[in-house]
Amino acid sequence: GAGVSQSPRYKVAKRGQDVALRCDPISGHVSLFWYQQALGQGPEFLTYFQNEAQLDKSGLPSDRFFAERPEGSVSTLKIQRTQQEDSAVYLCASTRGGGPLYEQYFGPGTRLTVT
Amino acid sequence: AQTVTQSQPEMSVQEAETVTLSCTYDTSESNYYLFWYKQPPSRQMILVIRQEAYKQQNATENRFSVNFQKAAKSFSLKISDSQLGDTAMYFCALRVGYQKVTFGIGTKLQVIP
Repeated sequence: GAGVSQSPRYKVAKRGQDVALRCDPISGHVSLFWYQQALGQGPEFLTYFQNEAQLDKSGLPSDRFFAERPEGSVSTLKIQRTQQEDSAVYLCASTRGGGPLYEQYFGPGTRLTVT
Repeated sequence: AQTVTQSQPEMSVQEAETVTLSCTYDTSESNYYLFWYKQPPSRQMILVIRQEAYKQQNATENRFSVNFQKAAKSFSLKISDSQLGDTAMYFCALRVGYQKVTFGIGTKLQVIP
């Protein structure tokens, strides 16, 4: 089957605009993760869902960031009033099961540039 | 809080040779999991190998193996018989239970023909 997909692949936003980034996990995958990867850095955890429940949102940098997964499949990461420091690649990953050892399958990422 | 440190920003290896990438981590938990992920230039990250902390035996996946030293909190990746397709960024990652995953800053590996 298809892998994890993300859309859009590239997004340019003017400072102050709101953006919505979409993640389609592998069908049937229970857990879904969002990461922020700045240039030359490793992915930084943002938030984690198990089915529709958001179990950990400790990595969201501010209240401008909001994520949802209302039906336990597709997830959306929303960033309000974007700022230049939000420029990064946003990665989504899903796992088949809810346990910690399950392999994370990553999407190609959305590159967000805030001008 | 968990931390993962990769102290080698870049490394190179001749094709068919062996290379070892270093990773150290810190956690106060006893139940955790360690991973190496590979991110080729196309940017889609894939799992290379994983290790449960409670297992003493080092994990092996074909040409990839780890040296897990729990007391030293060290988790290095050995790539044998390096191939051109191994050229990528390699990230060490730590997960404590069901908590978030913490990644290192990465090591850029170049395999030279």
